[in-house]
Amino acid sequence: DSGVTQTPKHLITATGQRVTLRCSPRSGDLSVYWYQQSLDQGLQFLIQYYNGEERAKGNILERFSAQQFPDLHSELNLSSLELGDSALYFCASSEGLNTEAFFGQGTRLTVV
Amino acid sequence: GDSVTQMEGPVTLSEEACLTINCTYTATGYPSLFWYVQYPGEGLQLLLKATKADDKGSNKGFEATYRKETTSFHLEKGSVQVSDSAVYFCALSDPRGSTLGRLYFGRGTQLTVWP
Repeated sequence: DSGVTQTPKHLITATGQRVTLRCSPRSGDLSVYWYQQSLDQGLQFLIQYYNGEERAKGNILERFSAQQFPDLHSELNLSSLELGDSALYFCASSEGLNTEAFFGQGTRLTVV
Repeated sequence: GDSVTQMEGPVTLSEEACLTINCTYTATGYPSLFWYVQYPGEGLQLLLKATKADDKGSNKGFEATYRKETTSFHLEKGSVQVSDSAVYFCALSDPRGSTLGRLYFGRGTQLTVWP
């Protein structure tokens, strides 16, 4: 158990809908990362937050957004969902900006 | 930009065989290098890491040496077990880049070990 908690574990939704994925980092970790794992793109970095502020952005679509709250948990919002958004979404956390990242078990999103 | 290339799988081995999974990288700075493992239905777990040239990371019988001259970080194990069956990801983190602490992953290599 990495200490990073992601909910829900599985999510099935229809095209055009909006969903929210939640991540609770390890106790004491200030940095949260979101990654998307799909068969065709592999593991892609989406976005990073550090102590509530956005620090880095990767291949995140405009339909996707995220935030980190004062209690340091983070949410990834996916809207106007398309079939191609079906993937495993991982959250990771680390103590600082350049320290080892620990991954949650992921949320499997299926868009039908 | 920063990137990681690892050998395509799948790799299928018999128990007690030797394993090598090749990984090379491209980075503008001085990256840290990692191997992560993903068991079926689970998240990624850090297997080993190396933070500077010539460092050797090791864990659970796996080893990888940071080779700056060949920009490589190959994963090796002398005798694999059925329980090693998983997907292995090579990754780098470049602390000097604009995206501090972010990981760049290879495509992953599926390893299956038969008894």
